[in-house]
Parts: sequence; structure tokens; C-alpha cells
Amino acid sequence: GAVVSQHPSWVICKSGTSVKIECRSLDFQATTMFWYRQFPKQSLMLMATSNEGSKATYEQGVEKDKFLINHASLTLSTLTVTSAHPEDSSFYICSAWGDRTESAGELFFGEGSRLTVL
Amino acid sequence: GDSVTQMEGPVTLSEEACLTINCTYTATGYPSLFWYVQYPGEGLQLLLKATKADDKGSNKGFEATYRKETTSFHLEKGSVQVSDSAVYFCALSDQYGDYKLSFGAGTTVTVRA
Repeated sequence: GAVVSQHPSWVICKSGTSVKIECRSLDFQATTMFWYRQFPKQSLMLMATSNEGSKATYEQGVEKDKFLINHASLTLSTLTVTSAHPEDSSFYICSAWGDRTESAGELFFGEGSRLTVL
Repeated sequence: GDSVTQMEGPVTLSEEACLTINCTYTATGYPSLFWYVQYPGEGLQLLLKATKADDKGSNKGFEATYRKETTSFHLEKGSVQVSDSAVYFCALSDQYGDYKLSFGAGTTVTVRA
């Protein structure tokens, strides 16, 4: 199947710093990417939807100034957690839909990035 | 809003045992239903799906039937293998086809040899 890669797979940072997570579609063009957040033993929570070349659409309750999403090309979306705090520690997962998807739900997921803020 | 409730884990089984993971949903309209699997160290992968009532999705020996009357989409496998050890997520997308998925909490399954 299609490959979506996230980097870094884990990151530890100090409180107040910003962290960037990349999501790349390696063998297809991803016109739409989704960013999820997963808390321990909880379901994936959709944070935002990003379409290439346009502003991301954030879900209710997600701070757009806190979680900056950029989808500048058809193969790359980035999530930047600005001024990170310990409560931002979580597992962040991206998924992509693109020219290899034939029907709804056939999304391709990255491996996830674990952020720990000290 | 739409939501998915699935059986809590972890679930530990012996090889060749039967596996059932319960999943129920709440949604308006006619959602599509999915099971995703996440093997250790990998991203989520689509395991199977069903897009309308009474459809049965199947893949790799797993099956799930879309039951509108009971709003359920239980995952079943008759004989599990060690390689089936993974986290399984039930999910739905609404009828509008915008690819937004609502996920269950995930069920960790461990199969022992």
C-alpha cells in the first residue's frame, strides 16, 4: 500500500519551545491530510484537516495558533506545536488521502510521533 | 455527534482461538464503517470496511457485518495467529464522504503461541 512517513517518531522538548512534526506521502500525491491526537488508552481525536495550498480547517476546541499546520506541497504537511507545555504531550498521527484513494475511508496513516514536553 | 464505542482491552488469546471485538456506533444518517489495525511500530492500516447496512467486510480471515438494527460492526476471526497481535480500531465516516473518521479507543490484542 501507499506509504506515509512521519518524522520525528519521538521528540522530547523543554516547556516553551516549539516543535515541528513532518508528514510525508512517499509514493503518492496527498491532496488532503488529517492530523490526529491520541491520548493514552483513548481514541484518535481529529485536530485539523489540511488541503494542499490552503489554510487548514481546525476542529472545534483545537487552538489554531497553538497547532500550526502547513500543507505547502502535495507530499508534505507539517504540524508545529508552538510554545509547548506538558499538557501538549501526546501521540500525534497524520493520515493522507490522495490520488491513490478510490473511496472514502481509504486513508493512509503515518507511524505517529510521540511528543513529550518537560 | 458521531461516536464509536468499542470493547476495552487488552485481550490476550492463545493461537487458534476465536476473536471477537465488539463495536457499536452512534451516527445520524448512513455512515460507512471501518476496522483499522496497527501492528507494532507501524501506522494504522485499513483492515476492512462496509458502506451500507448488511454489508460484510472481510480481509485476512477477519469479518465484520454492518448491522443497522443494532448499530454494530463487530470484528471476528475464527482462528487467530501470533501475527494478529496488534491494536484494532473501529471507525466510522459520515455519509458526506469528507473522509473524516471518528475512531473508537482501540483494543490491544495479544496472541500467544
